[in-house]
Amino acid sequence: GNSVTQMEGPVTLSEEAFLTINCTYTATGYPSLFWYVQYPGEGLQLLLKATKADDKGSNKGFEATYRKETTSFHLEKGSVQVSDSAVYFCALSDQAGTALIFGKGTTLSVSS
Amino acid sequence: NAGVTQTPKFQVLKTGQSMTLQCAQDMNHEYMSWYRQDPGMGLRLIHYSVGAGITDQGEVPNGYNVSRSTTEDFPLRLLSAAPSQTSVYFCASSSLGGGGPKNIQYFGAGTRLSVL
Repeated sequence: GNSVTQMEGPVTLSEEAFLTINCTYTATGYPSLFWYVQYPGEGLQLLLKATKADDKGSNKGFEATYRKETTSFHLEKGSVQVSDSAVYFCALSDQAGTALIFGKGTTLSVSS
Repeated sequence: NAGVTQTPKFQVLKTGQSMTLQCAQDMNHEYMSWYRQDPGMGLRLIHYSVGAGITDQGEVPNGYNVSRSTTEDFPLRLLSAAPSQTSVYFCASSSLGGGGPKNIQYFGAGTRLSVL
């Protein structure tokens, strides 16, 4: 079945450091891929998405590229801020666009 | 714009008690779903609905019931709470029409449930 594997955290960085959170997936067909972010005490909100191979999703300085050959969707940001401290979830949806399958989440902590 | 609203935000139950977690959305979304979030497990799908009168099971449906009588509301019922149901519960909704199969899900703020 479909599944998502993302690197375990926590990830601890200093402000302005480069961020990479790895995500790989297993899926049949052509899933859509997502990164969601959860700030403390809040629900999840969409950070970025990509719907087909080689698409690059981007938002708030974060980027991720849909790599079908490596089944990956790694999240990157060139310079993190304290305000980026949160839990990041990689997810995929089936072609019907219904059920989201999540990775276990990666906690990012950024210090000044 | 309220989006997805969940009530209550916090709840403590005793084993065997029943309760209903409420979820309402004001975006006219066809699709609604319930997830539970547990440490180290990510989010797991409990039940979902693609429209009024239509529900289906997700990955972890046991111990939970749902119904969808209106487009707006999708309550989650625990008939006899167990400590294993201690978790944070999230409701989400998305549109299925016009946007193709790659729609964005909008999440509520969550309900933190403890079963003693």
